[in-house]
Amino acid sequence: DTGVSQDPRHKITKRGQNVTFRCDPISEHNRLYWYRQTLGQGPEFLTYFQNEAQLEKSRLLSDRFSAERPKGSFSTLEIQRTEQGDSAMYLCASSNQGLAYNEQFFGPGTRLTVL
Amino acid sequence: SQELEQSPQSLIVQEGKNLTINCTSSKTLYGLYWYKQKYGEGLIFLMMLQKGGEEKSHEKITAKLDEKKQQSSLHITASQPSHAGIYLCGADQTGANNLFFGTGTRLTVIP
Repeated sequence: DTGVSQDPRHKITKRGQNVTFRCDPISEHNRLYWYRQTLGQGPEFLTYFQNEAQLEKSRLLSDRFSAERPKGSFSTLEIQRTEQGDSAMYLCASSNQGLAYNEQFFGPGTRLTVL
Repeated sequence: SQELEQSPQSLIVQEGKNLTINCTSSKTLYGLYWYKQKYGEGLIFLMMLQKGGEEKSHEKITAKLDEKKQQSSLHITASQPSHAGIYLCGADQTGANNLFFGTGTRLTVIP
């Protein structure tokens, strides 16, 4: 399967703990996006990378959140000192800037529950 | 900031019936994307519309973007249980980067 993959699919953690999620995009895609989705809402943009450069960050991305894409391939999203409000589905998407339009392919998501 | 309103918020139809979901933007759209999401899963790309007046179809699903590029509709003909899920419209605000999504329309198809 050559789609976007995310790991883990589910994560349960206690408040105050750190968590890290991984996203592996489609191999030829140079753009990688992170979104957060809470119950009953559409996804909200967090940040995106073009190759290894993080080009845009949403105001939703507080100082406790950090994302990396060190070699322009996979990406990690770390949340430090988790809070109950961080409970959500974290979605990763990738796209190819070379295409005529910015079709984003989404992974299955990582569902985070903070107790 | 961009606002996308979807209507209806939820829809229950009998199998075989036609239905329409609307997405209205507060701003002119550079691109309008339709995705489908099964509960608790990722988003599946359906269609992307870019030009005013554009219409695209795939199997029994047709999407249109109005001339002013501020409203889009998604029409499903002869609905089937496999069409059930959450339909999300997403807007490309700048033509470059992130998508801004509506809150979704939850479709239930009763066999």
